[in-house]
Amino acid sequence: DAGVIQSPRHEVTEMGQEVTLRCKPISGHDYLFWYRQTMMRGLELLIYFNNNVPIDDSGMPEDRFSAKMPNASFSTLKIQPSEPRDSAVYFCASSFGTSGRYSYEQYFGPGTRLTVT
Amino acid sequence: AQSVSQHNHHVILSEAASLELGCNYSYGGTVNLFWYVQYPGQHLQLLLKYFSGDPLVKGIKGFEAEFIKSKFSFNLRKPSVQWSDTAEYFCAVNGPSGAGSYQLTFGKGTKLSVIP
Repeated sequence: DAGVIQSPRHEVTEMGQEVTLRCKPISGHDYLFWYRQTMMRGLELLIYFNNNVPIDDSGMPEDRFSAKMPNASFSTLKIQPSEPRDSAVYFCASSFGTSGRYSYEQYFGPGTRLTVT
Repeated sequence: AQSVSQHNHHVILSEAASLELGCNYSYGGTVNLFWYVQYPGQHLQLLLKYFSGDPLVKGIKGFEAEFIKSKFSFNLRKPSVQWSDTAEYFCAVNGPSGAGSYQLTFGKGTKLSVIP
């Protein structure tokens, strides 16, 4: 399996621009998580989906952030308009939802390093 | 809400020294516990996990962790560290059971620097 795939790996954009981050979870996983990692705040959960449905978006910092999961193999995190304080590494992770040995384990993608100037 | 505390922000050790990183969580019910490692510039990788049974869990690369329910702790240990263990280590816990049980709560992380 290729693991969780994220694109782009690096994104540099100017303040005010729209940014779209993409994630492909591991095939068969039915939970998908978006995290943000910064030096100041550590690893923060932004939103997570179960079977393509958003379950908890309480970590989304502002209305400028939105996430979608149109199908089981693709999710996007969009920031519009972007601001310098959004600069961070954004990770996507996926996991099995059924009970059993491998449930709850989250597998992380390589992350997208976003820089907003 | 669940919370996870990692006591040390940055630990510096010489090669061959023993390592113990502390982790405490707040929830008293049934939990699953994890340690993840993040090497410089890379993503988080699972190091080991506790679901049930033997409270002493062995993971990859010689790491182990002990679950002590009475202390709400899940400390990570390694008898002899190597320079290649330089990374950031995150403790995580899921729960409570029910809605949200698939959500992991992460600690702030502990940076480990191993000096050759």
